[in-house]
Amino acid sequence: DTAVSQTPKYLVTQMGNDKSIKCEQNLGHDTMYWYKQDSKKFLKIMFSYNNKELIINETVPNRFSPKSPDKAHLNLHINSLELGDSAVYFCASSHSDMGENIQYFGAGTRLSVL
Amino acid sequence: DAKTTQPPSMDCAEGRAANLPCNHSTISGNEYVYWYRQIHSQGPQYIIHGLKNNETNEMASLIITEDRKSSTLILPHATLRDTAVYYCIVRDHDGWNFNKFYFGSGTKLNVKP
Repeated sequence: DTAVSQTPKYLVTQMGNDKSIKCEQNLGHDTMYWYKQDSKKFLKIMFSYNNKELIINETVPNRFSPKSPDKAHLNLHINSLELGDSAVYFCASSHSDMGENIQYFGAGTRLSVL
Repeated sequence: DAKTTQPPSMDCAEGRAANLPCNHSTISGNEYVYWYRQIHSQGPQYIIHGLKNNETNEMASLIITEDRKSSTLILPHATLRDTAVYYCIVRDHDGWNFNKFYFGSGTKLNVKP
């Protein structure tokens, strides 16, 4: 069984559209994340939820809205897609711990905005 | 934002040990060092982590200097499948920022036949 799964794997869409990416983890973790990897391959955190509460919100346009219906799911909705949103989006999860914090990543969703 | 410094690329012959260095001179006393790798745009894969002592698992060994300002990831017998970008990560420790990983540019390891 895949520990952190994202759908869809590929997403091609037009500018201005609204799209969602879903993430589910079966590891029993209480914290989930969204990361963005741009064309230069830099991987940057966008959001993090702990027990369905937003705890990390990096400077991300408010067109991006994460939603966590429960601890095992963290979805990312993007409104009014722009060319610059083209990237690979990774979901991750971990057990929240002030000491060790091993994050496990999904396979990524490759978003192309045309 | 990355708190670590790594060489941009390294080559290693197949079957030989790959030693990947990382400087983290501003590390705090209770911060762990984590190593991940990313193979050809797949999701980052956890390798190993450590605090003060050297660590070893089935994938690699981690050597942390006594002053904790640098570390080395060792892949004892590199294979072609180990070709990847390797990230050394030190996370923040301020409030909920302890969950925040900073991925730098990493080291591209090229394992050659």
